[in-house]
Amino acid sequence: KAGVTQTPRYLIKTRGQQVTLSCSPISGHRSVSWYQQTPGQGLQFLFEYFSETQRNKGNFPGRFSGRQFSNSRSEMNVSTLELGDSALYLCASSPGTSGDEQYFGPGTRLTVT
Amino acid sequence: GENVEQHPSTLSVQEGDSAVIKCTYSDSASNYFPWYKQELGKRPQLIIDIRSNVGEKKDQRIAVTLNKTAKHFSLHITETQPEDSAVYFCAARRGGGSNYKLTFGKGTLLTVNP
Repeated sequence: KAGVTQTPRYLIKTRGQQVTLSCSPISGHRSVSWYQQTPGQGLQFLFEYFSETQRNKGNFPGRFSGRQFSNSRSEMNVSTLELGDSALYLCASSPGTSGDEQYFGPGTRLTVT
Repeated sequence: GENVEQHPSTLSVQEGDSAVIKCTYSDSASNYFPWYKQELGKRPQLIIDIRSNVGEKKDQRIAVTLNKTAKHFSLHITETQPEDSAVYFCAARRGGGSNYKLTFGKGTLLTVNP
């Protein structure tokens, strides 16, 4: 099976802009989780989607949002970008109903200038 | 919410030695504990996991132990090799069928010197 894919891999944006990141899970997996990775805060949970519904949400402001499509692909959006949003954004794929394992994609490196 | 502490933050060993990384968690309802390895510029890779109904799990040179009473779990790597050099993250997940939120430790940079 193909692994988790994320696009784009690198992105440079300016403060105040918005950005959309995409994640395609492993075929057959219905759960997609998003994480932010920074040197200072480590890996932090953003939210998780299953069958097009947000099931879990982390402690991030409302500027961070996401959605999931019927084919399980997921997008996350960050509006009104701040310098502190610069990070590696990782998505993780899981079966969602059986099995706990989460498999990560390569991430999108977002730089906000 | 859940809090996961990981120690040490850096660990340097000689090739062939063993390495041990320890994590503690705060939520007694956590029941799933994975370990990830992240090489520089790469994605976190699941290397082993353990569930709360098991005390120990082994996979070749790596093993994980879990002490539910003390709320801590550890990663053991034996016969370390230079390719084991990476950042290792522990994580915990609260039990519940629809909860897929992983809480991660801050990571341990393992360096294996040839």
